[in-house]
Amino acid sequence: RKEVEQDPGPFNVPEGATVAFNCTYSNSASQSFFWYRQDCRKEPKLLMSVYSSGNEDGRFTAQLNRASQYISLLIRDSKLSDSATYLCVVNSEGSQGNLIFGKGTKLSVKP
Amino acid sequence: DGGITQSPKYLFRKEGQNVTLSCEQNLNHDAMYWYRQDPGQGLRLIYYSQIVNDFQKGDIAEGYSVSREKKESFPLTVTSAQKNPTAFYLCATIDWANTRETEAFFGQGTRLTVV
Repeated sequence: RKEVEQDPGPFNVPEGATVAFNCTYSNSASQSFFWYRQDCRKEPKLLMSVYSSGNEDGRFTAQLNRASQYISLLIRDSKLSDSATYLCVVNSEGSQGNLIFGKGTKLSVKP
Repeated sequence: DGGITQSPKYLFRKEGQNVTLSCEQNLNHDAMYWYRQDPGQGLRLIYYSQIVNDFQKGDIAEGYSVSREKKESFPLTVTSAQKNPTAFYLCATIDWANTRETEAFFGQGTRLTVV
């Protein structure tokens, strides 16, 4: 089983739609979780950390389910500018380099 | 202002040549990482260093070498032994000293093409 798995997409949604991404991780000892955004041919940038209690930042909501070992990202009222690839990142203590990246989920928001 | 600087942004290499990618940071972070990204693929770890004068191989270290003589600098050399070096290379740092729950900061990347 891969350490961090994401649906690669692409997710093609109209403006204003709500879209959800899930990510599963294999190491139950993982401690920290993040969602990054990566635009085409650019470096990844932190979108939000994911806390056990869940957290919200404007239109974005992140949830963590430790029992089922998955994290989610919900985007409400999608904008054209949300089009990007969203990377799930997990800190698995003891793994090489500590941070494990998913391959990303591509989102395309259409007018 | 603080950040991570990668240079050059674009690099062209002839087959059989070694090239060195620069990564400099002024964030005072101990840990530095090199990742490779191929089109449509995730990030794969090449090498990482948690402290000066020490580094470890990642998942795809073959054909690459690094050094960590200074805290601020973690250059990556792509050697002629790397048979398919064309990719997007990303350098990152993490400040583990503050808390174990901390994000990675990335440089703007170097796009290497073999010609």
